[in-house]
Amino acid sequence: DAGITQSPRHKVTETGTPVTLRCHQTENHRYMYWYRQDPGHGLRLIHYSYGVKDTDKGEVSDGYSVSRSKTEDFLLTLESATSSQTSVYFCAIGQYSGNTIYFGEGSWLTVV
Amino acid sequence: TQLLEQSPQFLSIQEGENLTVYCNSSSVFSSLQWYRQEPGEGPVLLVTVVTGGEVKKLKRLTFQFGDARKDSSLHITAAQTGDTGLYLCAVHLFGNEKLTFGTGTRLTIIP
Repeated sequence: DAGITQSPRHKVTETGTPVTLRCHQTENHRYMYWYRQDPGHGLRLIHYSYGVKDTDKGEVSDGYSVSRSKTEDFLLTLESATSSQTSVYFCAIGQYSGNTIYFGEGSWLTVV
Repeated sequence: TQLLEQSPQFLSIQEGENLTVYCNSSSVFSSLQWYRQEPGEGPVLLVTVVTGGEVKKLKRLTFQFGDARKDSSLHITAAQTGDTGLYLCAVHLFGNEKLTFGTGTRLTIIP
């Protein structure tokens, strides 16, 4: 298994509160990704990073921000959580662009 | 509009039967990957195909990449209960660093 750790694995939070999900890798891969998975929509890319301090938006980036201050850590922040952000969030890593990516085990977020 | 269409969306068959699921798009891919996801876990890569017309086999699973690089199929021979899961295809478009996923086929193998 690829060395990817997501935290927290499960979280329940209230609408309007900030939430940060952390992805930590031990593989020294250049690329890191945050996806969300919802019924009927599959996996949708939120943001990704192609190096330290280098990030770009995915298809569903509104309401989310990311930071990557170290190769091994990629943080996803919901500045003010909404019920529509209730989802399962997956971090993924990849060594090269256009190549295989490896997924973490997911973080289940419920916004009430 | 979904870039990738996977069909069928749901499939339930008896153990021992054969099945094929499909991944289609109007865009040309540089590469295509198939993943399997089990409940409560992240997707796990099964195979990557990069050449039009390519066929790859993984035990009872046969993956085919269309000649025009716009479609792919996954065929499972003599399905087993362990094949149950969500099968996802994902593509890289030329010049694009992002991996785009289809909505998946949820496969259930009945003992």
